[in-house]
Amino acid sequence: QSVLTQPPSASGTPGQRVTISCSGSSSNIGSNTVKWYQQLPGTAPKLLIYSNNQRPSGVPDRFSGSKSGTSASLAISGLQSEDEADYYCATWDDSLNGVLFGGGTKVTVL
Amino acid sequence: EEKLLESGGGLVQPGGSLRLSCAASGFTFSTYAMNWVRQAPGKGLEWVSLIRSSGGSTYYADSVKGRFTISRDNSKNTLYLQMNSLRAEDTAVYYCAKEGYTIFGVVYDAFDVWGQGTMVSVSS
Repeated sequence: QSVLTQPPSASGTPGQRVTISCSGSSSNIGSNTVKWYQQLPGTAPKLLIYSNNQRPSGVPDRFSGSKSGTSASLAISGLQSEDEADYYCATWDDSLNGVLFGGGTKVTVL
Repeated sequence: EEKLLESGGGLVQPGGSLRLSCAASGFTFSTYAMNWVRQAPGKGLEWVSLIRSSGGSTYYADSVKGRFTISRDNSKNTLYLQMNSLRAEDTAVYYCAKEGYTIFGVVYDAFDVWGQGTMVSVSS
């Protein structure tokens, strides 16, 4: 059971919008920035969102992040088949003095 | 191109030791913090350890504290993870990751470069 809680799965049809939540606490999301990572099957994770809502160069603007209080979310608009992957939120935890990853959300394109 | 290449994984018996290495290229290794992240088969990502750029500060997940040691040799652009007293639950793919997405001169604490991973199996 991860300290950062994500739904285990999410799905949508091509073109739809999918949202993934990440719930934490005051010692992690509440006081640090959130990152999101995408892991395609059989590959290493890739940085998708940093500083809560910023996209690294090369990441499509279909991906957006937000944070409010002790929760964060990742939205994928205009869902595409290549978006089928596992998505992880992550942040620093001031109490644990370490990095936390959410349990991961598997996105399926129907 | 910024690259990380892990090595040193393999099969080890419970209670044994293993040393992982991560060779960096394409960026100024000595200026960035580095991390180890692992992923057990079929499971999610688990952060293992962090070392600051100078090597002066290190941090560990509770699950490995006292058994694993992270270190770096900035003259060799290489990150290490010494793993002792290995347990079955340490079986995983181990990734090294550079911490420090940089844009417009600002460095953000995000893991922007990952290696391909090296598999560690702990079994008798």
